[in-house]
Amino acid sequence: DQQVKQNSPSLSVQEGRISILNCDYTNSMFDYFLWYKKYPAEGPTFLISISSIKDKNEDGRFTVFLNKSAKHLSLHIVPSQPGDSAVYFCAASAGGGSQGNLIFGKGTKLSVKP
Amino acid sequence: DTGVSQDPRHKITKRGQNVTFRCDPISEHNRLYWYRQTLGQGPEFLTYFQNEAQLEKSRLLSDRFSAERPKGSFSTLEIQRTEQGDSAMYLCASSLDGRGTGELFFGEGSRLTVL
Repeated sequence: DQQVKQNSPSLSVQEGRISILNCDYTNSMFDYFLWYKKYPAEGPTFLISISSIKDKNEDGRFTVFLNKSAKHLSLHIVPSQPGDSAVYFCAASAGGGSQGNLIFGKGTKLSVKP
Repeated sequence: DTGVSQDPRHKITKRGQNVTFRCDPISEHNRLYWYRQTLGQGPEFLTYFQNEAQLEKSRLLSDRFSAERPKGSFSTLEIQRTEQGDSAMYLCASSLDGRGTGELFFGEGSRLTVL
């Protein structure tokens, strides 16, 4: 049973518009959430994270929102750029960010069209 | 290059053979992780080390798999008697304990194909 779910395998967005990637989780013990970006033939790279004590974290064009009651988080990219085209993975852990056992979703492939 | 490096990048082997992957983490990182990723899936946790101690192992890590980090620096992941189901990308990552951001730094992976 998948504990972290990314129900949209792909998303296509026009350059300059907002990209919204969604993630749902089932384990109420998760207290730390991360987003990773992956380009082909490269390993995943860390993008942004959020602790369960917050509901929003922002870093430049990237904002992550956490809704604990709905067990849902989303990543907003504004404005989207062609270089953002990649696979985005949502990940969660129950160790407050200090554990390595991250549970990943299956990923959402984002395509940003010029 | 001061990132996580993995070797080899690609390995093709016949079923039943043994394979070994090596990972060199970022030098000041004391934690090292192994993940596996198959097509269409996210990375799945296999095991992690803090210094030379192996602290956690996933149920995915069958007894054909063994990982070591003998001196708390580089690590090896060995798969004995490979099976076709072992075909996957094996990802290594490292982090600095206590950093608190949960950020893992991944290498580019070692792709295994078992024929």
